[in-house]
Amino acid sequence: NAGVIQTPRHKVTGKGQEATLWCEPISGHSAVFWYRQTIVQGLEFLTYFRNQAPIDDSGMPKERFSAQMPNQSHSTLKIQSTQPQDSAVYLCASSLEPNTEVFFGKGTRLTVV
Amino acid sequence: AQSVDQPDAHVTLSEGASLELRCSYSYSAAPYLFWYVQYPGQSLQFLLKYITGDTVVKGTKGFEAEFRKSNSSFNLKKSPAHWSDSAKYFCALEGTGNTGKLIFGLGTTLQVQP
Repeated sequence: NAGVIQTPRHKVTGKGQEATLWCEPISGHSAVFWYRQTIVQGLEFLTYFRNQAPIDDSGMPKERFSAQMPNQSHSTLKIQSTQPQDSAVYLCASSLEPNTEVFFGKGTRLTVV
Repeated sequence: AQSVDQPDAHVTLSEGASLELRCSYSYSAAPYLFWYVQYPGQSLQFLLKYITGDTVVKGTKGFEAEFRKSNSSFNLKKSPAHWSDSAKYFCALEGTGNTGKLIFGLGTTLQVQP
């Protein structure tokens, strides 16, 4: 079990460019989550899929952020027109079902210059 | 509104001492509570959870936590502390709807001095 796999581990983009982050959840897990971690805001929930269906995207900045889960083995988080304030560590996580342990990936550190 | 408060941003203690990291929550219903740990350069790792039942729950790495409904707290404890426990600890609340979505506190950085 390789755990939740996130690629790339580090990404640097120029202001205004697009960034796509990839996540491979643990096989068999039905829930996939995206969080953002910064020093100031801490861990913020972004969005959540269950059985590939989008369930809750209440944490997503609506205009430039989007997430998809085209199949059970991967999810993507896309940020259009990146801004310096998007710089953060983006964490993907998965779990078997509610109330159980959520397993986190190592994250993608996004730096917008 | 649902929220988690970890009032101590930093805690420093000596190896062998007892540690207690504080966590309080705000939630109108019965809470599902979790503790996670993040070692430098690593991802978050699950320590323990409280869903229902016994108010003292035991987790991995020798940690335990006590749920106290009376003051809405879920403090993490370990005795004795070891230098390898130095890390950042996050308390979390599972949000409304039983979805697995977690609401985190800002974390407490623990430094255990040898």
